[in-house]
Amino acid sequence: GDSVTQMEGPVTLSEEACLTINCTYTATGYPSLFWYVQYPGEGLQLLLKATKADDKGSNKGFEATYRKETTSFHLEKGSVQVSDSAVYFCALEVNNNDMRFGAGTRLTVKP
Amino acid sequence: GAVVSQHPSRVICKSGTSVKIECRSLDFQATTMFWYRQFPKKSLMLMATSNEGSKATYEQGVEKDKFLINHASLTLSTLTVTSAHPEDSSFYICSARDGGGRTEAFFGQGTRLTVV
Repeated sequence: GDSVTQMEGPVTLSEEACLTINCTYTATGYPSLFWYVQYPGEGLQLLLKATKADDKGSNKGFEATYRKETTSFHLEKGSVQVSDSAVYFCALEVNNNDMRFGAGTRLTVKP
Repeated sequence: GAVVSQHPSRVICKSGTSVKIECRSLDFQATTMFWYRQFPKKSLMLMATSNEGSKATYEQGVEKDKFLINHASLTLSTLTVTSAHPEDSSFYICSARDGGGRTEAFFGQGTRLTVV
């Protein structure tokens, strides 16, 4: 079935370091791909998304490109901040009622 | 973005009791709400989908008599864990889609349930 595999955490980085969180997917159809972020004590928030191959989603300095050939949607940021500390979830959606999530990756950014 | 409020954020209950978790859409009408469960270091697993005014659709392997879902209004869905046992301890999170055509799902902050 459809599924998402993302890099296990936790990930600890120093401020201004580069971030990559790997995400690969398996899907029978043509999914939309998402990255959600969950800050402490809050719900999941949509960070970025891409709906078709080669689309690049971007928000708050984060980027991810929908790569159909490698079935990947890796999250990247060139310079992380302490405020980026959160749990990041990769997800796919094949139709409007069925989302599949990765296990989440906890990121801690130290000053 | 739209706001979904989930309550309580944490609950500890005794084995054998029932626990109700509420999920409210505060500024939109949620025609569809989803309930997820997350085990430690595991993905969010969809438990059930509920549409306002109709019975919930449960995913395979989810006991509908144990996890009662009610979506009586366009702004409220409840999940009741009946006769809770320690293995029901988990993180439960809801999400909602509005009826206004937006495709994005909005999530609550989750509920940490501990059954002792």
